[in-house]
Amino acid sequence: KQEVTQIPAALSVPEGENLVLNCSFTDSAIYNLQWFRQDPGKGLTSLLLIQSSQREQTSGRLNASLDKSSGRSTLYIAASQPGDSATYLCAVDRTYKYIFGTGTRLKVLA
Amino acid sequence: DTAVSQTPKYLVTQMGNDKSIKCEQNLGHDTMYWYKQDSKKFLKIMFSYNNKELIINETVPNRFSPKSPDKAHLNLHINSLELGDSAVYFCASSPSLPGQGTGNTIYFGEGSWLTVV
Repeated sequence: KQEVTQIPAALSVPEGENLVLNCSFTDSAIYNLQWFRQDPGKGLTSLLLIQSSQREQTSGRLNASLDKSSGRSTLYIAASQPGDSATYLCAVDRTYKYIFGTGTRLKVLA
Repeated sequence: DTAVSQTPKYLVTQMGNDKSIKCEQNLGHDTMYWYKQDSKKFLKIMFSYNNKELIINETVPNRFSPKSPDKAHLNLHINSLELGDSAVYFCASSPSLPGQGTGNTIYFGEGSWLTVV
């Protein structure tokens, strides 16, 4: 059974810091891994999708890496801003469904 | 133009009532889902549909009945509501079923906040 864990559960950092969010999954047989952002009272917005054949994806200040063999992905946020404050979730896709991680609640202090 | 829209956004109802949540996607996707997010923010799949056909029913009580009149719509009807049904319900869609290819991004609606009193 696929389990997806995110560490840390919560993180508070001063503005401008570079930070890393972690995602671990127990079954390496995945097709894609996605990172999402969820703002309070809102749905999930896809940030980055890494295909199983890829090692990383970049979008602006965000960089996500994938190591299938070790069952890990990291989301790197450069020069964090208060607007980055949100919950970040990773998800892996297995047969017929996406399985979500437990989430990391990020707060960037001005 | 909202890609995945669901209504209502907020719903407060009494135990024992029956309620429905509607969802529509205008992305031309084949696959739609219902997810439940509990108070701890954990997101768990309830149902997935592909071209109006039920693919996954993730051990959801029979009181929950999804209906897909066409591949752009997936509604959720809940009978005999219980206190434990209080949660946020998210509708989502993707181009195809997970596990059938790479690059399959999933898109979410804004959520429906259900409170059972």
